[in-house]
Amino acid sequence: DAGVTQSPTHLIKTRGQQVTLRCSPKSGHDTVSWYQQALGQGPQFIFQYYEEEERQRGNFPDRFSGHQFPNYSSELNVNALLLGDSALYLCASSPREDQASSYNSPLHFGNGTRLTVT
Amino acid sequence: KQEVTQIPAALSVPEGENLVLNCSFTDSAIYNLQWFRQDPGKGLTSLLLIQSSQREQTSGRLNASLDKSSGRSTLYIAASQPGDSATYLCAVTTQGGSEKLVFGKGTKLTVNP
Repeated sequence: DAGVTQSPTHLIKTRGQQVTLRCSPKSGHDTVSWYQQALGQGPQFIFQYYEEEERQRGNFPDRFSGHQFPNYSSELNVNALLLGDSALYLCASSPREDQASSYNSPLHFGNGTRLTVT
Repeated sequence: KQEVTQIPAALSVPEGENLVLNCSFTDSAIYNLQWFRQDPGKGLTSLLLIQSSQREQTSGRLNASLDKSSGRSTLYIAASQPGDSATYLCAVTTQGGSEKLVFGKGTKLTVNP
């Protein structure tokens, strides 16, 4: 049973460019959340997707956008990259919110995509 | 706004020692609290999840406690091993229908052989 998979593992971009990161959730999970982890910091919540819609959003600008596909996989897009966007981007999946067990189930994280903006 | 603080930021201990990591949060209206482990450059591995109605959870050499009213949690690691070296992160799920996690900055643990 594959866990959460993310691609690519590493990425180097130039300031001003755009980037797309991809995530496939754990089998049986249909809710995907994205987190940004700067060096030496804890992860910060970007947004969450469920039923192909953005359900919750953290304190991130509109340059950060996402998408969820019918197979529950998800993409994170960042436009007009800034040096400060350099971070580890983590994807996490979980079962549906309205399932009784959802708050008892830990989030499952992927290994992340390391984005470096030069 | 929920804030999570972890103390200490870093900890170095000799192999075999028992140790405690601390986590505090400002808003006690939580669904659950999770402890994660993160190896350098890697993702997060969930170690223990404590529901808001629970006081503690145990897994092997790990024991996590939760005092929701005081906004505190501890992670106890017994008989530490070099393989336990990693960053340990504490995170809470706040009430309000969201599964958003709020994380602390973590405690970097080094266990010396």
